[in-house]
Amino acid sequence: KAGVTQTPRYLIKTRGQQVTLSCSPISGHRSVSWYQQTPGQGLQFLFEYFSETQRNKGNFPGRFSGRQFSNSRSEMNVSTLELGDSALYLCASSLAGTEETQYFGPGTRLLVL
Amino acid sequence: GENVEQHPSTLSVQEGDSAVIKCTYSDSASNYFPWYKQELGKGPQLIIDIRSNVGEKKDQRIAVTLNKTAKHFSLHITETQPEDSAVYFCAASGVDDSWGKLQFGAGTQVVVTP
Repeated sequence: KAGVTQTPRYLIKTRGQQVTLSCSPISGHRSVSWYQQTPGQGLQFLFEYFSETQRNKGNFPGRFSGRQFSNSRSEMNVSTLELGDSALYLCASSLAGTEETQYFGPGTRLLVL
Repeated sequence: GENVEQHPSTLSVQEGDSAVIKCTYSDSASNYFPWYKQELGKGPQLIIDIRSNVGEKKDQRIAVTLNKTAKHFSLHITETQPEDSAVYFCAASGVDDSWGKLQFGAGTQVVVTP
């Protein structure tokens, strides 16, 4: 089975721009979670989608949003980028999203200049 | 919400020795505790997990123990090898409103020297 894939792997943007990141879960997995990883804050939960519905959301500003498509693929969007948004963005998939193993993708490295 | 603390932040061991990483959690309702290994340039990879109805679980050189009363769980790596060098994260999950959410510890940088 193919693992979780994320595109693009690397991205450079400037402040004020917006960015869209994509995540394809493991086949059959319906839950996709997104995390932000930085040296200072570690791994922080952004949000989770299941069957095209956001079921859970972390403590991030409204500039961070996401969606999930009928094939379980998910995208996250960050608008009006700030320097502090520079991070590794990870997505993880699981069968149903609760108390289950989450399988992580390789991440998208975002650098905001 | 859940809070997970992880110690130590760095751990240097000689090849062949054992490594132990400890985590504590705050929410007694949590009942799923995975451990992840992250190598440079890669996403976290699950190495072992434990649920609250189990006190200990082993997989070859790796073991995890859980003490629900004290709200702490530990990762034990025996006979360490250079390829065990990585950052290890503990996590907790399981509260009713935590759909798809893992609360991670800050991570432990493990360095195994030959």
